[in-house]
Amino acid sequence: GEDVEQSLFLSVREGDSSVINCTYTDSSSTYLYWYKQEPGAGLQLLTYIFSNMDMKQDQRLTVLLNKKDKHLSLRIADTQTGDSAIYFCAESISNSGYALNFGKGTSLLVTP
Amino acid sequence: GAGVSQSPSNKVTEKGKDVELRCDPISGHTALYWYRQSLGQGLEFLIYFQGNSAPDKSGLPSDRFSAERTGGSVSTLTIQRTQQEDSAVYLCASSLGGTDSYEQYFGPGTRLTVT
Repeated sequence: GEDVEQSLFLSVREGDSSVINCTYTDSSSTYLYWYKQEPGAGLQLLTYIFSNMDMKQDQRLTVLLNKKDKHLSLRIADTQTGDSAIYFCAESISNSGYALNFGKGTSLLVTP
Repeated sequence: GAGVSQSPSNKVTEKGKDVELRCDPISGHTALYWYRQSLGQGLEFLIYFQGNSAPDKSGLPSDRFSAERTGGSVSTLTIQRTQQEDSAVYLCASSLGGTDSYEQYFGPGTRLTVT
């Protein structure tokens, strides 16, 4: 499918907020997702947002969705060193049972 | 409860050989997906099964790739005549299915190396 775009790398200091941005491609995607992958580990579903919502908050995570611009962001408040990982944005593929079209991932490095 | 399991965790094979990768979804999940993750291509959708319906094969990269799902549960992804570009981590995911398919849970993956 077409490319879901994300910046490749982000570095923040511990305690700061992190914002990871994503531009998706399919305006008819029903759900948009953020997955986390730690080194040597599998993909962990962090959060998702339904396409008719603008914002979703879940503890330290805030997801913002701008459907007009097909822009999705993930904000992590009070970022910790344990948040260092690769974060993947994904859109559900229309007519494929919510199969996912992923971005290439943003590598988040949190420094003490 | 038990998550999605995959076997083997690692597989090294010679170019031209066939390989089979196995996925055990979460019990009760009727939807099953295969993806692969490679350095060059990132994460790509391969195939989707929903219950006993015909699978959605729209992501399979070539006819060397096939998958089946027996009894609506365990799935096997088969790659025939493997090529070096098939080297990747093959990920399986499952979800409740139907309109509840929006939460997919991934297994740990099988790392395939074709030499």
